[in-house]
Amino acid sequence: SQTIHQWPATLVQPVGSPLSLECTVEGTSNPNLYWYRQAAGRGLQLLFYSVGIGQISSEVPQNLSASRPQDRQFILSSKKLLLSDSGFYLCAWSTLSPGTEAFFGQGTRLTVV
Amino acid sequence: AQSVTQPDIHITVSEGASLELRCNYSYGATPYLFWYVQSPGQGLQLLLKYFSGDTLVQGIKGFEAEFKRSQSSFNLRKPSVHWSDAAEYFCAVGAQSGAGSYQLTFGKGTKLSVIP
Repeated sequence: SQTIHQWPATLVQPVGSPLSLECTVEGTSNPNLYWYRQAAGRGLQLLFYSVGIGQISSEVPQNLSASRPQDRQFILSSKKLLLSDSGFYLCAWSTLSPGTEAFFGQGTRLTVV
Repeated sequence: AQSVTQPDIHITVSEGASLELRCNYSYGATPYLFWYVQSPGQGLQLLLKYFSGDTLVQGIKGFEAEFKRSQSSFNLRKPSVHWSDAAEYFCAVGAQSGAGSYQLTFGKGTKLSVIP
């Protein structure tokens, strides 16, 4: 069966420090991968999605970047964190077939201080 | 582009009462529709999904949802709410993006509180 791992679960980082959140998927190949951010009362905002290695699409301009160095690995990064980067970050995967649901990791709570 | 509206930010119901959470979508073609549930500090779990066929869809934990094309709605229902149903619920529509890839677009969520 397929599983998705996301870490760390919680992170407190000072303003201006770098960020690296990692997500890996097991049990499937060539998945679509997604990074979402969730802020209170604002639902889930799609940040990045990837349909293949090295293929990243950004949905909103921001202080963050994403990379997909391997088929089942998706990384969310920042060179210098801002206070506004605080939030709950969720990684998800889906198959390539239209109509499929997305499967979510357990999320990372990021607090920038 | 597709969009999802969940008109109710917060709903409170008594345990044992019935529940209906509203969801309206905007999409030019037949949508793929989903309901997810999120417990505090956790990821999202799929409750049910609609692709085609029967417009009344059964899901896990006793939930069901009805697709109404004329109203562009996909409301979630449960006949009798349990205290463990307290969580945040998200409606989503799946569709091809402008870049050709498939994406899920989520509503802002409805927080459900249950009174014992």
